[in-house]
Amino acid sequence: KAGVTQTPRYLIKTRGQQVTLSCSPISGHRSVSWYQQTPGQGLQFLFEYFSETQRNKGNFPGRFSGRQFSNSRSEMNVSTLELGDSALYLCASSLGVTNTEAFFGQGTRLTVV
Amino acid sequence: AQSVTQPDIHITVSEGASLELRCNYSYGATPYLFWYVQSPGQGLQLLLKYFSGDTLVQGIKGFEAEFKRSQSSFNLRKPSVHWSDAAEYFCAVAGSGSARQLTFGSGTQLTVLP
Repeated sequence: KAGVTQTPRYLIKTRGQQVTLSCSPISGHRSVSWYQQTPGQGLQFLFEYFSETQRNKGNFPGRFSGRQFSNSRSEMNVSTLELGDSALYLCASSLGVTNTEAFFGQGTRLTVV
Repeated sequence: AQSVTQPDIHITVSEGASLELRCNYSYGATPYLFWYVQSPGQGLQLLLKYFSGDTLVQGIKGFEAEFKRSQSSFNLRKPSVHWSDAAEYFCAVAGSGSARQLTFGSGTQLTVLP
Protein backbone atom coordinates (compact mmCIF):
# COMPACT_ATOMS: atom_id res chain seq x y z
CA LYS A 1 0.00 0.00 0.00
CA ALA A 2 1.43 3.38 -0.96
CA GLY A 3 2.26 5.76 1.84
CA VAL A 4 1.52 9.44 2.24
CA THR A 5 2.75 11.40 -0.77
CA GLN A 6 3.69 15.04 -0.56
CA THR A 7 4.54 17.22 -3.53
CA PRO A 8 6.74 18.97 -4.26
CA ARG A 9 9.60 17.80 -2.05
CA TYR A 10 11.49 21.07 -2.29
CA LEU A 11 10.37 24.60 -3.03
CA ILE A 12 12.06 27.99 -3.11
CA LYS A 13 9.87 31.09 -3.03
CA THR A 14 10.38 34.81 -2.64
CA ARG A 15 8.95 36.89 0.19
CA GLY A 16 5.46 38.09 -0.59
CA GLN A 17 4.65 35.22 -2.91
CA GLN A 18 2.15 32.50 -2.17
CA VAL A 19 2.65 28.74 -2.26
CA THR A 20 0.47 25.63 -2.45
CA LEU A 21 1.58 22.27 -1.09
CA SER A 22 -0.13 19.00 -1.87
CA CYS A 23 -0.71 15.84 0.14
CA SER A 24 -2.19 12.51 -0.97
CA PRO A 25 -3.10 10.34 2.03
CA ILE A 26 -2.89 6.59 2.31
CA SER A 27 -5.70 4.93 0.39
CA GLY A 28 -8.75 4.64 2.62
CA HIS A 29 -7.60 7.30 5.06
CA ARG A 30 -10.00 10.19 5.35
CA SER A 31 -8.27 12.45 7.83
CA VAL A 32 -5.34 14.67 6.86
CA SER A 33 -3.33 16.84 9.23
CA TRP A 34 -0.58 19.34 8.52
CA TYR A 35 2.40 20.19 10.70
CA GLN A 36 5.17 22.74 10.42
CA GLN A 37 8.67 21.81 11.58
CA THR A 38 11.33 24.45 12.24
CA PRO A 39 14.56 24.31 14.26
CA GLY A 40 13.31 27.02 16.60
CA GLN A 41 9.70 26.00 17.21
CA GLY A 42 9.87 22.27 16.56
CA LEU A 43 6.82 20.44 15.29
CA GLN A 44 3.63 22.47 15.42
CA PHE A 45 0.12 21.52 14.39
CA LEU A 46 -1.42 23.59 11.59
CA PHE A 47 -4.82 22.06 10.88
CA GLU A 48 -6.77 18.87 10.33
CA TYR A 49 -9.30 18.00 7.68
CA PHE A 50 -11.83 15.20 7.59
CA SER A 51 -14.47 14.70 4.90
CA GLU A 52 -13.59 18.04 3.31
CA THR A 53 -14.18 19.91 6.59
CA GLN A 54 -11.60 21.56 8.79
CA ARG A 55 -11.96 19.86 12.18
CA ASN A 56 -9.21 21.49 14.12
CA LYS A 57 -6.82 24.39 13.72
CA GLY A 58 -3.55 25.32 15.37
CA ASN A 59 -2.32 28.74 16.36
CA PHE A 60 -1.17 30.09 13.02
CA PRO A 61 -2.09 33.33 11.22
CA GLY A 62 -4.80 33.42 8.59
CA ARG A 63 -2.14 33.40 5.86
CA PHE A 64 -2.07 29.66 6.38
CA SER A 65 -5.07 27.87 4.94
CA GLY A 66 -5.96 24.48 3.64
CA ARG A 67 -8.62 22.40 2.03
CA GLN A 68 -9.50 18.80 1.39
CA PHE A 69 -11.04 17.32 -1.69
CA SER A 70 -13.63 14.58 -2.04
CA ASN A 71 -10.88 12.01 -2.71
CA SER A 72 -9.27 13.00 0.64
CA ARG A 73 -6.30 14.69 -1.01
CA SER A 74 -5.40 17.91 0.73
CA GLU A 75 -3.65 21.13 -0.10
CA MET A 76 -2.31 23.84 2.11
CA ASN A 77 -1.69 27.37 1.01
CA VAL A 78 0.50 30.05 2.49
CA SER A 79 -0.01 33.58 1.20
CA THR A 80 2.27 36.59 1.51
CA LEU A 81 5.25 34.46 2.42
CA GLU A 82 7.64 35.62 5.11
CA LEU A 83 11.20 34.48 5.77
CA GLY A 84 9.97 32.78 8.94
CA ASP A 85 7.73 30.49 6.92
CA SER A 86 10.80 28.57 5.81
CA ALA A 87 10.24 25.11 7.24
CA LEU A 88 9.58 21.46 6.59
CA TYR A 89 5.83 21.01 6.13
CA LEU A 90 4.62 17.55 7.03
CA CYS A 91 1.34 15.96 6.15
CA ALA A 92 -0.09 13.05 8.12
CA SER A 93 -3.01 10.82 7.33
CA SER A 94 -5.17 8.66 9.56
CA LEU A 95 -8.27 6.56 9.09
CA GLY A 96 -10.67 9.00 10.67
CA VAL A 97 -11.51 11.27 13.54
CA THR A 98 -11.70 8.45 16.06
CA ASN A 99 -8.36 7.00 15.03
CA THR A 100 -5.37 8.96 16.19
CA GLU A 101 -2.60 6.83 14.64
CA ALA A 102 -1.04 9.12 12.08
CA PHE A 103 1.28 8.23 9.22
CA PHE A 104 3.54 10.96 7.89
CA GLY A 105 4.78 11.85 4.45
CA GLN A 106 8.36 12.84 3.72
CA GLY A 107 7.48 16.50 3.81
CA THR A 108 7.91 19.54 1.62
CA ARG A 109 10.96 21.69 2.36
CA LEU A 110 9.96 25.32 1.76
CA THR A 111 12.65 27.97 1.61
CA VAL A 112 11.61 31.62 1.48
CA VAL A 113 14.27 34.04 0.24
CA ALA B 1 -3.58 21.97 27.21
CA GLN B 2 -1.46 18.94 26.48
CA SER B 3 2.33 19.15 26.46
CA VAL B 4 5.37 16.90 26.16
CA THR B 5 8.83 17.29 27.62
CA GLN B 6 11.87 15.48 26.34
CA PRO B 7 14.58 16.54 28.79
CA ASP B 8 17.53 15.23 26.80
CA ILE B 9 18.37 17.26 23.70
CA HIS B 10 21.23 15.02 22.66
CA ILE B 11 22.29 11.51 23.73
CA THR B 12 25.38 9.61 22.66
CA VAL B 13 25.70 5.85 23.12
CA SER B 14 28.08 3.21 21.84
CA GLU B 15 26.85 0.60 19.42
CA GLY B 16 25.58 -2.41 21.35
CA ALA B 17 24.82 -0.42 24.47
CA SER B 18 21.33 -0.05 25.88
CA LEU B 19 19.28 3.07 25.34
CA GLU B 20 16.58 4.91 27.23
CA LEU B 21 15.02 8.14 25.96
CA ARG B 22 12.88 10.05 28.42
CA CYS B 23 9.46 11.54 27.81
CA ASN B 24 7.10 13.25 30.23
CA TYR B 25 3.65 14.37 29.23
CA SER B 26 0.90 16.55 30.57
CA TYR B 27 -2.71 15.76 29.78
CA GLY B 28 -5.81 15.75 31.93
CA ALA B 29 -7.24 12.41 30.88
CA THR B 30 -5.78 9.16 29.61
CA PRO B 31 -3.57 10.15 26.71
CA TYR B 32 -2.66 8.51 23.48
CA LEU B 33 1.15 8.35 23.40
CA PHE B 34 3.52 7.87 20.51
CA TRP B 35 7.19 7.68 19.65
CA TYR B 36 8.33 8.73 16.19
CA VAL B 37 11.77 8.65 14.59
CA GLN B 38 13.05 11.06 11.96
CA SER B 39 16.15 10.68 9.80
CA PRO B 40 17.67 13.84 8.30
CA GLY B 41 15.45 15.43 5.67
CA GLN B 42 12.80 12.77 6.07
CA GLY B 43 9.33 12.52 7.50
CA LEU B 44 8.36 10.87 10.76
CA GLN B 45 8.14 7.11 11.16
CA LEU B 46 5.94 5.68 13.89
CA LEU B 47 7.93 3.43 16.24
CA LEU B 48 5.18 2.52 18.68
CA LYS B 49 2.00 3.73 20.30
CA TYR B 50 0.06 3.41 23.52
CA PHE B 51 -3.70 3.72 23.57
CA SER B 52 -4.74 1.55 26.52
CA GLY B 53 -4.18 -1.83 28.12
CA ASP B 54 -0.75 -3.29 28.74
CA THR B 55 1.57 -0.50 29.84
CA LEU B 56 4.62 -2.05 28.13
CA VAL B 57 4.31 -1.70 24.39
CA GLN B 58 6.49 -3.20 21.73
CA GLY B 59 7.35 -1.41 18.55
CA ILE B 60 9.33 -1.79 15.38
CA LYS B 61 13.12 -2.10 15.17
CA GLY B 62 13.34 -3.67 18.64
CA PHE B 63 12.07 -0.63 20.54
CA GLU B 64 9.73 -0.74 23.50
CA ALA B 65 8.18 1.87 25.76
CA GLU B 66 6.54 1.80 29.16
CA PHE B 67 3.61 3.97 30.16
CA LYS B 68 3.76 5.03 33.81
CA ARG B 69 0.70 7.03 34.77
CA SER B 70 2.00 7.87 38.25
CA GLN B 71 5.08 9.51 36.74
CA SER B 72 3.38 10.87 33.60
CA SER B 73 6.13 9.22 31.62
CA PHE B 74 6.46 7.18 28.46
CA ASN B 75 10.16 6.33 28.12
CA LEU B 76 11.54 4.62 25.05
CA ARG B 77 14.04 1.78 25.44
CA LYS B 78 16.16 -0.50 23.33
CA PRO B 79 18.44 -3.19 24.79
CA SER B 80 21.15 -2.97 22.12
CA VAL B 81 21.57 0.01 19.83
CA HIS B 82 22.64 -0.33 16.21
CA TRP B 83 24.47 2.34 14.20
CA SER B 84 21.38 2.69 12.01
CA ASP B 85 19.39 3.90 15.04
CA ALA B 86 21.14 7.28 14.88
CA ALA B 87 18.35 9.78 14.23
CA GLU B 88 16.07 12.20 16.03
CA TYR B 89 13.35 10.79 18.23
CA PHE B 90 10.09 12.52 19.06
CA CYS B 91 7.59 11.70 21.76
CA ALA B 92 4.03 12.86 21.12
CA VAL B 93 0.73 12.97 22.96
CA ALA B 94 -2.78 13.20 21.58
CA GLY B 95 -6.11 13.56 23.26
CA SER B 96 -9.61 13.10 21.98
CA GLY B 97 -12.14 15.38 20.38
CA SER B 98 -10.78 18.89 19.94
CA ALA B 99 -7.45 17.84 21.45
CA ARG B 100 -6.80 14.95 19.11
CA GLN B 101 -3.95 16.60 17.24
CA LEU B 102 -0.43 15.43 18.04
CA THR B 103 1.60 17.58 20.40
CA PHE B 104 5.29 16.82 20.07
CA GLY B 105 8.23 17.12 22.37
CA SER B 106 11.29 19.00 21.20
CA GLY B 107 13.05 15.81 20.23
CA THR B 108 16.17 13.91 21.28
CA GLN B 109 19.05 13.59 18.84
CA LEU B 110 20.72 10.18 19.15
CA THR B 111 24.32 9.67 18.11
CA VAL B 112 25.71 6.13 17.99
CA LEU B 113 29.46 5.63 18.33
CA PRO B 114 31.12 2.67 16.60
